[in-house]
Amino acid sequence: EVQLQESGPGLVKPSQSLSLTCSVTGYSITSNYWGWIRKFPGNKMEWMGYISYSGSTSYNPSLKSRISITRDTSKNQFFLQLNSVTTEDTATYYCARRVHPDYWGQGVMVTVSS
Amino acid sequence: DIQMTQSPSFLSATVGDRVTINCKASQNINKYLNWYQQKLGEAPKRLIYNTNSLQTGIPSRFSGSGSGTDYTLTISSLQPEDVATYFCLQHNSGPYTFGAGTKLELK
Repeated sequence: EVQLQESGPGLVKPSQSLSLTCSVTGYSITSNYWGWIRKFPGNKMEWMGYISYSGSTSYNPSLKSRISITRDTSKNQFFLQLNSVTTEDTATYYCARRVHPDYWGQGVMVTVSS
Repeated sequence: DIQMTQSPSFLSATVGDRVTINCKASQNINKYLNWYQQKLGEAPKRLIYNTNSLQTGIPSRFSGSGSGTDYTLTISSLQPEDVATYFCLQHNSGPYTFGAGTKLELK
């Protein structure tokens, strides 16, 4: 069974970078598409972007200048980096398989605060 | 971006009730609409994809319908384990966008 697990710091200071890891088991990330989604306080959800089986990426234009999604195929992990964060980036971050996800991780809450 | 308007935001129903949740898109999304269920503290679970295809392992009391801009998730006979938040996702055109969610509780 496909399983995804997010990890990373739960607290980030404003203006710094947010970095998260998604560890995948039960399926190779060299197949399919792998994405990041976030859920803000108040429950609005935002599709952030994805990395494909070949390593190509696509990002939400609202984030395009700040976001990077990369991967390490040897570890079957992919990563999210979001630069220059503000308090508005406080959210629960989910990783998922497919651009319209079928499998999701449980999510990791990230607070941006000084 | 395509806007997804989901209704109702909150729903209280009795075991055995037929429950419907709606999502309206700001433009035609060609049936590229998924429904998800999220229970407290758990990962979201895909129930329905492409409007009306039932995800493997999901009970048949869940069904989806719709076309164009209007889509519906139906639970034919509400069970206690269906208490959760439900949300829709359009994947017709990027950036893919979500409905605001419906919190379903037992009356």
